[in-house]
Parts: sequence; C-alpha cells; structure tokens
Amino acid sequence: AQSVAQPEDQVNVAEGNPLTVKCTYSVSGNPYLFWYVQYPNRGLQFLLKYITGDNLVKGSYGFEAEFNKSQTSFHLKKPSALVSDSALYFCAVRDKETDSWGKFQFGAGTQVVVTP
Amino acid sequence: SAVISQKPSRDICQRGTSLTIQCQVDSQVTMMFWYRQQPGQSLTLIATANQGSEATYESGFVIDKFPISRPNLTFSTLTVSNMSPEDSSIYLCSVEHQNYGYTFGSGTRLTVV
Repeated sequence: AQSVAQPEDQVNVAEGNPLTVKCTYSVSGNPYLFWYVQYPNRGLQFLLKYITGDNLVKGSYGFEAEFNKSQTSFHLKKPSALVSDSALYFCAVRDKETDSWGKFQFGAGTQVVVTP
Repeated sequence: SAVISQKPSRDICQRGTSLTIQCQVDSQVTMMFWYRQQPGQSLTLIATANQGSEATYESGFVIDKFPISRPNLTFSTLTVSNMSPEDSSIYLCSVEHQNYGYTFGSGTRLTVV
C-alpha cells in the first residue's frame, strides 16, 4: 500500500521569503515522487519529479525538492516566493513496482498564500 | 507533452440528469484516467480507460453511475449519471506521460442543483 501526507492545509509566506511545502510518503518499495500545482479553475500542472539519482530535484518556476529516504520526505521548496506562486500544491507517490502510473496516491493538497 | 482538451469547462445541472464530459488528446495514448476532486479535497481516481476494453473502476465507483467510453486512442468520455448535489466536483481526465507522470486536462467544474 502507498500513502502520502501533506501535514499543512495552508502555508502563508511573504513575497521574497523562502517557501516550503511539506510531504511525507509511505510505500512498500522504492518511490516515484511528484509535485503538481493547481491554479484556480485550472487542471494540475507538473512541477518536478524524483525517480532516481540526485536527491535534490530542480523543477519548473524555480521550485526544487529534496528526496530524503531516511525521513521518507519530499518537501517542495522555493528560495524566494512570488505572489503568483499562490496556488494549491499536491504531492503524489507511486511505488516503483506498480505497473501503471494510474496507481498514484495524491496528498490532500496544501494551499500556498503568498502576500505582497 | 500531450495536450489535453477537456469540455465542458463547467456546467450547472439539475439533479437526476446526466452530463457527459469529453477528453481529447492530441496524440495516441494507451491509458486515460478519470479523476474526481471534491470541494476542498484531493484527487480520487475514478477509473482507468483503455481503448478496446472495459474501463477499470476503483473501489467506490461503478459503471452504472460513471459510464466511460474509449472509442479510440485519442478520445474518452465520462458520464455522470442521475446526478445529485453530492456529485458536485471537478472532474479531470489525464494521461500517462513518461516524463511528467501525468498530464491533466483543465478540468470540468460540475455543480448539481
């Protein structure tokens, strides 16, 4: 079984400050990990993924995430937040042993609010 | 990456009626997925649609309520049948992508009154 937790319903940050959105996961094997962003009235957009290799993954719009196997975490970070980063962020996980992408497990989502 | 066109983008429907949502992909894909996102909730997989076979439904979802068609490798429809206010959600179609995991349509925001 696989699961993912986003412990914060909402994260508030001032523009220009660092942004962190937390994600922890549980899989029986090795994980594939993803972050998606959803702007109002829009579908989900891919931000970044961890499949293998370097634990620090860089993605779209200046975001990055660090895979930490010992802590089973994949926190999303941005050094300097913008007001336009205000959106709903989803972490997703899949066990590498699963046959299909379709068996993703999505987190509950974290609303990010960046104030000017 | 694949581009997905989903329509309608939103609709307001009377209870007891049905709505069919269309999803068109600009390239051939083997698997298409339908998700539901209830207000304030995460995404829940409804079913997986393969061309040429019956859709595979997840626990809690049945074909009579959410019939799916997959007539070819670029198109799928999801019908929400006999709607009630509890069906008010965003419905999203998506396809596999080897680099992005998923690519998503822009969603259909359904309100049942």
